Amino acid sequence: KAGVTQTPRYLIKTRGQQVTLSCSPISGHRSVSWYQQTPGQGLQFLFEYFSETQRNKGNFPGRFSGRQFSNSRSEMNVSTLELGDSALYLCASSLAGVGSAFGSGTRLTVV
Amino acid sequence: AQSVTQLGSHVSVSEGALVLLRCNYSSSVPPYLFWYVQYPNQGLQLLLKYTSAATLVKGINGFEAEFKKSETSFHLTKPSAHMSDAAEYFCAVSDYGAGGTSYGKLTFGQGTILTVHP
Repeated sequence: KAGVTQTPRYLIKTRGQQVTLSCSPISGHRSVSWYQQTPGQGLQFLFEYFSETQRNKGNFPGRFSGRQFSNSRSEMNVSTLELGDSALYLCASSLAGVGSAFGSGTRLTVV
Repeated sequence: AQSVTQLGSHVSVSEGALVLLRCNYSSSVPPYLFWYVQYPNQGLQLLLKYTSAATLVKGINGFEAEFKKSETSFHLTKPSAHMSDAAEYFCAVSDYGAGGTSYGKLTFGQGTILTVHP
């Protein structure tokens, strides 16, 4: 079966802009989690959605938001981009709880 | 709060030698534990996971890990390293399995870069 699909793979944005990243989980998986990976901070949890509801949230500012659709696909939005938002954003999906399958990520560069 | 410590940010072994990557965790409840591997410019691939069943867990590509509650450790091993094992490895913990509310949240260690020399 198809794995977790993240689009786009690469993105370059300017400071102050906003960006939307997309994640399609494995078919049948209802939980989608998002992570930010940077060289300095490592892998940090952003939030998790299950059946269109946010169940858990990490310690990120309100500029980071997300949503999940009825088909379990999820989007993550970052508004008013800052240079420090440059990172690899990873999405993980699971049947119900903790993600075991990760996508290849979206590499966001803010200039 | 949960935390994970991976001892050694870089580990170097010769091809055919034993691979040992160390991971210690702290958790207030019985945890779920995971090892992931990441190749350059790729996402994370699950190697194995411990979910309170057998303490010795076998994963893909010949890797295994043993859960030792008394030592709060979950070290990753492979008897014989292969060049293709060169990558970054992450240990992660979650309390989800023990009825915790950390839905979807994995707490990761800082990673260990494994180098394999011919």
